[in-house]
Amino acid sequence: DGGITQSPKYLFRKEGQNVTLSCEQNLNHDAMYWYRQDPGQGLRLIYYSQIVNDFQKGDIAEGYSVSREKKESFPLTVTSAQKNPTAFYLCASSTFRQGGVEQPQHFGDGTRLSIL
Amino acid sequence: KNEVEQSPQNLTAQEGEFITINCSYSVGISALHWLQQHPGGGIVSLFMLSSGKKKHGRLIATINIQEKHSSLHITASHPRDSAVYICAVRYSGTASKLTFGTGTRLQVTL
Repeated sequence: DGGITQSPKYLFRKEGQNVTLSCEQNLNHDAMYWYRQDPGQGLRLIYYSQIVNDFQKGDIAEGYSVSREKKESFPLTVTSAQKNPTAFYLCASSTFRQGGVEQPQHFGDGTRLSIL
Repeated sequence: KNEVEQSPQNLTAQEGEFITINCSYSVGISALHWLQQHPGGGIVSLFMLSSGKKKHGRLIATINIQEKHSSLHITASHPRDSAVYICAVRYSGTASKLTFGTGTRLQVTL
């Protein structure tokens, strides 16, 4: 079955460490997204990519980096510059119909990142 | 500022009740999404609509473009409907970016 796989499900980070969250999709979707979810807030967009080797900053990109070397993969690195990284991170993907009409986004099961 | 407001924030219902969750947005949109997030955190897309009404099983989503308002209805609610329901909109001219509401936490009891 096609879907989005995020790993790991839980991740712990020491102060000053960079960590990378994995997101892989086998839906053949062109667009991929990273969101951050905090209690009491709506999902916020960190980065998104509409095509391989290209990506754009979302609303809260500071302290994060991404790459899109393959269509299937969109890893997110949380750097030591991100001062409040504890959150739930969700990856999503979507495709566009002819004429540029976006279809619903498919979401992974998320990664919960905590600071030790 | 483009925002998405949902109400209520929390909702408790007894099995079998008819449930309505509301979503309001501020300016013109090209699409509105209703999503369901289960306790484990995974999110499932329920509906994407830009006008009118859509139905899937016991779920119905409506949108009124003039009033900038959408509702998600659940008929004959069941404990397995317990989840957080999230409204998200794509504002016109924002490519593929979605703006999310904070969600409505629904608990359905026996």
